Amino acid sequence: EAGVAQSPRYKIIEKRQSVAFWCNPISGHATLYWYQQILGQGPKLLIQFQNNGVVDDSQLPKDRFSAERLKGVDSTLKIQPAKLEDSAVYLCASSLWSDEAFFGQGTRLTVV
Amino acid sequence: DQQVKQNSPSLSVQEGRISILNCDYTNSMFDYFLWYKKYPAEGPTFLISISSIKDKNEDGRFTVFLNKSAKHLSLHIVPSQPGDSAVYFCAASATLQGAQKLVFGQGTRLTINP
Repeated sequence: EAGVAQSPRYKIIEKRQSVAFWCNPISGHATLYWYQQILGQGPKLLIQFQNNGVVDDSQLPKDRFSAERLKGVDSTLKIQPAKLEDSAVYLCASSLWSDEAFFGQGTRLTVV
Repeated sequence: DQQVKQNSPSLSVQEGRISILNCDYTNSMFDYFLWYKKYPAEGPTFLISISSIKDKNEDGRFTVFLNKSAKHLSLHIVPSQPGDSAVYFCAASATLQGAQKLVFGQGTRLTINP
């Protein structure tokens, strides 16, 4: 069974630029999560999808972050414009209804 | 507000001894608890879980204990091996408004010394 795929693995951008991350969850997993992990902290949920509907985006900075999940499969997370404090690892995870979540390798974003 | 807390940022244990990682939670709605292990430059990988209807779950060298009254869980690794050196995240899950919510602690960096 293929795992959660994320790309790119690393990205360096200047502040005020835009960036997009892509995630392909495990086939058949209805729930997809985007987490932000700042160095030394635990993963913080940004947005959660159930199929292609948003069930929780309460911690998503909506003035600069956006996410979509087309056809209930792949998802993209975008930051526009980026700030220095957005430097973090962005983790995508997927799960069946109430099972454990499986994570991708993450995208390490550095904003300079 | 930090609903899931791991108060020890780091832990160092000698190879062969027992490693005990602790986690506290505040929300009584959590009904499923998980431990994840994370190596550098990789995503977290699922290790072991426990339902709130149980107080212990064992899988090989890993055992998770749950004390609901104290809102506390712990992960025991015995015997500890060098490959266990990683960051361990505790996570708690609740089904709210028809969706599973998964909240993570800050992590504990475990170092196993030979």
